[in-house]
Amino acid sequence: ETGVTQTPRHLVMGMTNKKSLKCEQHLGHNAMYWYKQSAKKPLELMFVYNFKEQTENNSVPSRFSPECPNSSHLFLHLHTLQPEDSALYLCASSQGVKDTEAFFGQGTRLTVV
Amino acid sequence: RKEVEQDPGPFNVPEGATVAFNCTYSNSASQSFFWYRQDCRKEPKLLMSVYSSGNEDGRFTAQLNRASQYISLLIRDSKLSDSATYLCVAGAGSYQLTFGKGTKLSVIP
Repeated sequence: ETGVTQTPRHLVMGMTNKKSLKCEQHLGHNAMYWYKQSAKKPLELMFVYNFKEQTENNSVPSRFSPECPNSSHLFLHLHTLQPEDSALYLCASSQGVKDTEAFFGQGTRLTVV
Repeated sequence: RKEVEQDPGPFNVPEGATVAFNCTYSNSASQSFFWYRQDCRKEPKLLMSVYSSGNEDGRFTAQLNRASQYISLLIRDSKLSDSATYLCVAGAGSYQLTFGKGTKLSVIP
């Protein structure tokens, strides 16, 4: 069993749909992250939660809405997405101390049609 | 803008070869550095942290040059299983790690 699990692994959604991505970490970490990975681009940090509190929001459009009910679970709610939002969405966690390494889930490959 | 730059490659090397990757970071306040490995259509996985004194893990050696703001990764005796994209990462005193675009390595039989 991996330390960070994401569901679903693949998602195809229309631009008018609403869907949610789920992430769960079993590592006892205090910080959780959402990253976006598009082709030919570096990983882009979207959101950071530390002890359930959002500490970073890197100018992400409001059509992406994160939720962190506790230190082990993280959601990304999606609505009215655009085709250019198609990408691999990766969840990660870390101990919570600054600059410690992050451990990633397997990602959700999202296609917006 | 804080950036991490890497040669995208691909680096095509024969089995048994030694290959080196460099990356540069623009934020002089960066304090922590890592190399991640990402296989095709998989998530990034931590390969090793990079310490100021340099560090080695088996066939892999990482070096940090703060004055020139670059990080290197050396892979000795390349194996077919080393084929992957290698991501250089710098952290600068926040929860944000800055990733490079990655360098693709293909080890050929």
